[in-house]
Amino acid sequence: KAGVTQTPRYLIKTRGQQVTLSCSPISGHRSVSWYQQTPGQGLQFLFEYFSETQRNKGNFPGRFSGRQFSNSRSEMNVSTLELGDSALYLCASSLEASGGNEQFFGPGTRLTVL
Amino acid sequence: AQRVTQPEKLLSVFKGAPVELKCNYSYSGSPELFWYVQYSRQRLQLLLRHISRESIKGFTADLNKGETSFHLKKPFAQEEDSAMYYCALSRQGSARQLTFGSGTQLTVLP
Repeated sequence: KAGVTQTPRYLIKTRGQQVTLSCSPISGHRSVSWYQQTPGQGLQFLFEYFSETQRNKGNFPGRFSGRQFSNSRSEMNVSTLELGDSALYLCASSLEASGGNEQFFGPGTRLTVL
Repeated sequence: AQRVTQPEKLLSVFKGAPVELKCNYSYSGSPELFWYVQYSRQRLQLLLRHISRESIKGFTADLNKGETSFHLKKPFAQEEDSAMYYCALSRQGSARQLTFGSGTQLTVLP
């Protein structure tokens, strides 16, 4: 089975721009979660999508948004980029047989904001 | 608010020595606790979770609710155990919304 894929792997943007990151979950997985990883704050939960609906949301400003498509692929968007948004963005997918399914992580997208 | 604390950023042990990676948490309720591992140039992956009560690659972790700890232990460290280890928690039934600790970089010396 192919793992979680994320595109692009690397991205450079300037302040004020917006960016869209993509995540393709493992085939059959219906839940996708997004995390931000920075040296200062570590790994922080952004949001989770299941069946095209946002189920959980972390403590991030409204500039961070996401969506999920009917094929379970997910995108996250960051508008009006700030220097502090430079981070590794990870997505993870899981089955939804019950609440305790293992998450499988992608390789991440490295976003640099100049 | 829920929090996970890993007091050691770096930990070095010699091959064959016991290793313990510390994890303490604060959570008002019954959490689920996990250990994730990231080997060099690999993805973050689940190592073990407290509800499974299993030993993976020789590692075990016991949830101590009285001390709010979930320390990771291995009696005899191997060089291939060198990696970044993250302790994480979620509320029960919501393993997709994890709160991570800051991680411990374990180095096993030959």
